[in-house]
Amino acid sequence: NAGVTQTPKFQVLKTGQSMTLQCAQDMNHNSMYWYRQDPGMGLRLIYYSASEGTTDKGEVPNGYNVSRLNKREFSLRLESAAPSQTSVYFCASSEAQFSTEAFFGQGTRLTVV
Amino acid sequence: SQQGEEDPQALSIQEGENATMNCSYKTSINNLQWYRQNSGRGLVHLILIRSNEREKHSGRLRVTLDTSKKSSSLLITASRAADTASYFCAFPRDDKIIFGKGTRLHILP
Repeated sequence: NAGVTQTPKFQVLKTGQSMTLQCAQDMNHNSMYWYRQDPGMGLRLIYYSASEGTTDKGEVPNGYNVSRLNKREFSLRLESAAPSQTSVYFCASSEAQFSTEAFFGQGTRLTVV
Repeated sequence: SQQGEEDPQALSIQEGENATMNCSYKTSINNLQWYRQNSGRGLVHLILIRSNEREKHSGRLRVTLDTSKKSSSLLITASRAADTASYFCAFPRDDKIIFGKGTRLHILP
């Protein structure tokens, strides 16, 4: 069982470039999340998807878009990367809202220069 | 902010000692969870305590929940070097799971 798989693990972008972070889970979870983690800030929710076909903004959505492609996959897109988006990004999934535990991917370390 | 708040932000103890971390939150919850993050890795779920529970154990972990004070504590007994990590409390809110900023725990040899 792979759990939650994120790609890529590392990425360097130039300011203004675009990219998509991919996330897939094989646990048949309904809810999926994208977080960013910055030093001293903990985890902040960017976007989430409570179920297939729905997406909602979290705490820090500006500069990002998401797609819940199907129940397994939830991608995060940076249309025009900015240095402020340098961070570690984590995808997570959980069974349902008001759920039990969340399962995390290993993270994507993104640097925007 | 909807985040929980962990206290202390950082903690260093000798191997073998007990470590206690606290989490406070602002709204009513139906459960509270604790996660561990080793450096450079994703978060790993440790334990979940429901709002109708006051205490829960899992191995060397003991979690308490006081809903009247809106606070929880995580106790790690007989600490080991491998317990060095960051620890986060988290709770469901609407369709989301909200995380605190974490406590960095360092176990000294």
